Amino acid sequence: AQTVTQSQPEMSVQEAETVTLSCTYDTSESNYYLFWYKQPPSRQMILVIRQEAYKQQNATENRFSVNFQKAAKSFSLKISDSQLGDTAMYFCAFMKPLPMDSNYQLIWGAGTKLIIKP
Amino acid sequence: ETGVTQTPRHLVMGMTNKKSLKCEQHLGHNAMYWYKQSAKKPLELMFVYNFKEQTENNSVPSRFSPECPNSSHLFLHLHTLQPEDSALYLCASSLLGTGAYGYTFGSGTRLTVV
Repeated sequence: AQTVTQSQPEMSVQEAETVTLSCTYDTSESNYYLFWYKQPPSRQMILVIRQEAYKQQNATENRFSVNFQKAAKSFSLKISDSQLGDTAMYFCAFMKPLPMDSNYQLIWGAGTKLIIKP
Repeated sequence: ETGVTQTPRHLVMGMTNKKSLKCEQHLGHNAMYWYKQSAKKPLELMFVYNFKEQTENNSVPSRFSPECPNSSHLFLHLHTLQPEDSALYLCASSLLGTGAYGYTFGSGTRLTVV
């Protein structure tokens, strides 16, 4: 079974601090994609950052970066200089090919609620 | 707006009612999806449509009936729902074969079954 595990149901940090959200996954695929999505109170699921499994270099998007450890099947998200607007649910997701199809399916973790305190 | 629009934003319905959720995208995508999001659970994929043809149905009860008249529009018809069907229903779209870019989501419909 292919699964995604987020072990931290909730985290809270002070504004401007750095926070790391953990994610592990299980798959037998050799080539796949990993994502972090953010869901603020507005409910819209917003793509934060993505990583292609065949790339060793960790992805970075402004204040957001990942630590991708392929052998350990670990994909953590680091948020630097956290801001009040970063308060949201954060979901780790793994993209796998759908059987009998040319499409892909996202497998999701249960999410981490991140609260940034002023 | 992200390009994926869902209506209504909120819906309260009785167990004997019939209602429909609507999703519309103008991103030129050719695959659309319905997800169910319940509290403290991973998102559950319900249905997948490629070029308006249903390709996945993840053992969803027949009281949920999807419809995809074209690549830009997706509906979820609801009838005789149960209270445990209360959840956030998210629509998403993507380009076939482009797993690297993930999906684009709407803001969801918050459904409450009373």
